[in-house]
Amino acid sequence: QKEVEQNSGPLSVPEGAIASLNCTYSDRGSQSFFWYRQYSGKSPELIMSIYSNGDKEDGRFTAQLNKASQYVSLLIRDSQPSDSATYLCAVIGTGRRALTFGSGTRLQVQP
Amino acid sequence: GAVVSQHPSWVICKSGTSVKIECRSLDFQATTMFWYRQFPKQSLMLMATSNEGSKATYEQGVEKDKFLINHASLTLSTLTVTSAHPEDSSFYICSARDRGLEQPQHFGDGTRLSIL
Repeated sequence: QKEVEQNSGPLSVPEGAIASLNCTYSDRGSQSFFWYRQYSGKSPELIMSIYSNGDKEDGRFTAQLNKASQYVSLLIRDSQPSDSATYLCAVIGTGRRALTFGSGTRLQVQP
Repeated sequence: GAVVSQHPSWVICKSGTSVKIECRSLDFQATTMFWYRQFPKQSLMLMATSNEGSKATYEQGVEKDKFLINHASLTLSTLTVTSAHPEDSSFYICSARDRGLEQPQHFGDGTRLSIL
């Protein structure tokens, strides 16, 4: 079992719609969770961080964490073509200092 | 916000060459930096954790004699790919975190290494 799992996609949504990206993790002791966006050929850039159960909103982005289900999600409201990228879920596992990444979900927002 | 600078951004060289990549934290001190590698259409894989003033910690399967890491100051870590071969061609990305684990990791712009 992979430590961090994501559906590779592509996830295709029309412009203006809500994009929902999901991630599960295997280490129940994980405490820190992040969503990064990566454009082709570029390094990842931080979108959201979340540490406690529930929702965290920042502009058009909402991160959701459910530690009991070991599940993290990212909602993107009013999706724009510029949101088209690969979204990486990342977790800091028990006793670890570095991020462990999922394989990423490729999002395509159709104009 | 925290900024991580990585240099060079692109390297093309012949097989057998050694290549050094620099990673600098510009506005914070990083006792720990991280080196990742990303092959096409794959995710980032941690290669090693660079510790200021001590030896790096390598992930399983990463050859420490091939990927030399030096973290001589609180703002600079270097990765040297020794005697690089075509299979070492990849996107190498460094990362650093300011202070505690609750802080996010910030990434350099990456170095695209192509070995002919």
